[in-house]
Amino acid sequence: QKEVEQNSGPLSVPEGAIASLNCTYSDRGSQSFFWYRQYSGKSPELIMSIYSNGDKEDGRFTAQLNKASQYVSLLIRDSQPSDSATYLCAVKGYSGNTPLVFGKGTRLSVIA
Amino acid sequence: DADVTQTPRNRITKTGKRIMLECSQTKGHDRMYWYRQDPGLGLRLIYYSFDVKDINKGEISDGYSVSRQAQAKFSLSLESAIPNQTALYFCATSALGAGNEQFFGPGTRLTVL
Repeated sequence: QKEVEQNSGPLSVPEGAIASLNCTYSDRGSQSFFWYRQYSGKSPELIMSIYSNGDKEDGRFTAQLNKASQYVSLLIRDSQPSDSATYLCAVKGYSGNTPLVFGKGTRLSVIA
Repeated sequence: DADVTQTPRNRITKTGKRIMLECSQTKGHDRMYWYRQDPGLGLRLIYYSFDVKDINKGEISDGYSVSRQAQAKFSLSLESAIPNQTALYFCATSALGAGNEQFFGPGTRLTVL
């Protein structure tokens, strides 16, 4: 069974610090990787996607992928209280006809 | 803006009642999904559909059924609601052949008394 694992948290960081969120996955053939942000009671919002090894930066967010280690991470620089949310990691397997597999999410709390 | 909408947004019902949750999208996506979310359990896939003639069970389909009425519409039914179906329900869509990013509707909060 394909699995995506995340530390549930909460991860607490001070305002202005770097928040580091991690995710591991079991399907070695996985091709696409996504990070979603979900505020309490709201729907998940796609914030980053990454498809190849290395880093991808978008504003204050950097996604990092290491397929050999089956590991994907999200760095949030200059963390703000508005970044406080649950972050979901999602992985797409090799086959095009399978839904994304979601982790249970890591709750991030940015302390002002 | 192309969007995913869900109706109703909130629903309170009683045990044994039949409930239908509806999802519509204007994104032109072929693929649609239904999830439920419970505290501490993350998103769990109920059903998904890759086109109008394709329906697939997810990990927790028991007690639920779906209908794909058109490319843009995907409905979830609870034939006889029970209290442990109280949850937040999300519809999502994705495009065929893209990176498979899924886009979520705003959710329906369902309470079964």
